[in-house]
Amino acid sequence: AQSVTQPDIHITVSEGASLELRCNYSYGATPYLFWYVQSPGQGLQLLLKYFSGDTLVQGIKGFEAEFKRSQSSFNLRKPSVHWSDAAEYFCAVGARGYQKVTFGTGTKLQVIP
Amino acid sequence: DTEVTQTPKHLVMGMTNKKSLKCEQHMGHRAMYWYKQKAKKPPELMFVYSYEKLSINESVPSRFSPECPNSSLLNLHLHALQPEDSALYLCASSQDWTGNTEAFFGQGTRLTVV
Repeated sequence: AQSVTQPDIHITVSEGASLELRCNYSYGATPYLFWYVQSPGQGLQLLLKYFSGDTLVQGIKGFEAEFKRSQSSFNLRKPSVHWSDAAEYFCAVGARGYQKVTFGTGTKLQVIP
Repeated sequence: DTEVTQTPKHLVMGMTNKKSLKCEQHMGHRAMYWYKQKAKKPPELMFVYSYEKLSINESVPSRFSPECPNSSLLNLHLHALQPEDSALYLCASSQDWTGNTEAFFGQGTRLTVV
């Protein structure tokens, strides 16, 4: 079975600073990896996804993530954080032919002026 | 149209009430999902419909009853709920069930059971 770990429950960054959110997965074959963002009381919005190919994935809102098979990681990055990026971020892992996507426990991002 | 629309946005119901949550998508997606999300927790999968047939039930209590009348609609019928069922209920859809397509989520229904 697949699993995903987000080690950081809460992260605070200054506006304009760079951001990296960590995600580690466990799965025997090539995983399908996702990052979603959720504002309070709202649904989830997909930021980016990795299925195959180039291991550096570009997403919306200036986010990118890098798949590192050797480290079983799919960390999310942004070079300059905006106050509107404050939200909960979920990493998720799926697999080919498998309907269930497993979500990590989430990282809450706080942005300070 | 890349939206998944959920109604109502908020719902307060008593433990003896019967209510329904509705979800609609017009993206031609053939897989639809119900998730339950408690505060400060990730979404938990409840049900998956694939080509309008129930394919996954994550051992959800029978007081939750899903229905997929057609490929665009998904309902969740609620009856005799408990206060601990209060949560954000999220609907999602994806192009198919093969796993390599992303899910699009609705804004959710905030359910409060009193």
